[in-house]
Amino acid sequence: AQSVTQPDIHITVSEGASLELRCNYSYGATPYLFWYVQSPGQGLQLLLKYFSGDTLVQGIKGFEAEFKRSQSSFNLRKPSVHWSDAAEYFCAVGGGSGGGADGLTFGKGTHLIIQP
Amino acid sequence: GAVVSQHPSRVICKSGTSVKIECRSLDFQATTMFWYRQFPKQSLMLMATSNEGSKATYEQGVEKDKFLINHASLTLSTLTVTSAHPEDSSFYICSARAPAPEPFFGPGTRLTVL
Repeated sequence: AQSVTQPDIHITVSEGASLELRCNYSYGATPYLFWYVQSPGQGLQLLLKYFSGDTLVQGIKGFEAEFKRSQSSFNLRKPSVHWSDAAEYFCAVGGGSGGGADGLTFGKGTHLIIQP
Repeated sequence: GAVVSQHPSRVICKSGTSVKIECRSLDFQATTMFWYRQFPKQSLMLMATSNEGSKATYEQGVEKDKFLINHASLTLSTLTVTSAHPEDSSFYICSARAPAPEPFFGPGTRLTVL
């Protein structure tokens, strides 16, 4: 069974500082990996995705993530956070081998707090 | 492109009534649609997978007689919560998948059962 672990429930970062959110996954085949952001009471916004190819992927809002197969990780990074980045961040894995026919499995999320 | 809508965005109902939530892919045909549930301050959990013209596949622990899913066309899937109770209050989110592997999410429907 596939699973996603986001080990940090809460992270507090000062505005302007760098950010790294951790994500580890378990999946039996080639995974499709996603990072989403969710503001309170809102739906999901896709930040970036990895299907294949270059393991460093660029997303929206200055975010990037690196796929490391040997570590089963897909950590999200941003060099300088803004107060508007405060939100809940979800890592998700999907069925790559099944052509994406499976639904996504989400991690429990990391709540990002930005200190002024 | 790749827009998914949900209707209604919010619904409040009395305990024991049924509620229908629609999920539409507006500019593409969705071979598969997924329904997720998100309780407050929790993550999204996949409830069921539906393919057009066939019965939905439910995840373990999801009551198929309580959460009726109909995927009548390539652009519309509906989730009906039958005999809703306060514990069914949640944020319900659908996603739709075209031939490409990336799913596109709807904005969600917040259900409150009194």
